[in-house]
Amino acid sequence: EVQMLESGGGLVQPGTSLGLSCAASGFTFSSYAISWVRQAPGKGLEWVSGISGSGDSTYYADSVMGRFTISRDNSKNTLYLQMDSLRAEDTAVYYCARVGPTTYSIYWGQGTLVTVSS
Amino acid sequence: DIQMTQSPSTLSASVGDRVTITCRASQSVSTWLAWYQQKPGKAPKLLIYKASSFESGVPFRFSGSGSGTEFTLTITSLQPDDFATYYCQQYNSYPYTFGQGTKLEIK
Repeated sequence: EVQMLESGGGLVQPGTSLGLSCAASGFTFSSYAISWVRQAPGKGLEWVSGISGSGDSTYYADSVMGRFTISRDNSKNTLYLQMDSLRAEDTAVYYCARVGPTTYSIYWGQGTLVTVSS
Repeated sequence: DIQMTQSPSTLSASVGDRVTITCRASQSVSTWLAWYQQKPGKAPKLLIYKASSFESGVPFRFSGSGSGTEFTLTITSLQPDDFATYYCQQYNSYPYTFGQGTKLEIK
């Protein structure tokens, strides 16, 4: 059974940093691209960042470019999102998702809440 | 970036109705299109992937069709549990953009 479990959310002040993790199981982790997706309170879904299976290629939404860094450790089946210079508008539930142009299905975690407030 | 436009934004329907939600892409995404259902406070639930592939466990009253730039999600015989918000997402090329959502309300 495929499982993805996010952790690391919390309340932080504007301008500070926070790191999220996503532990995956039930599939060959290194074979799949993984993304981070977020949802601000009362808003729609926003794709944030993606990384290839090998970790060699990374992609970012314009809204987080230069502030967020995605990475992965395939030996630990874990995805990361380092978030720096956090802003109030980064407040959201952050989800990791195994999604990409393959014939296989898509899997999401249950999300972790990040609140940026003074 | 590929823009995804869903219509309608809000849809009022009754139990037993058949409804259709449309998602249009600003350029071709082939069939790399997913549909999700989301209820308040919950993670999105995958309904359809690769435009028309059924996710395991999802009732067969949900179906998807389309390719290129035009896609539809059809729900036949609406059930009380189906009233929720629905999103499309393209995953043909980064950034993997979402539609703005369609809120399905009880008439």
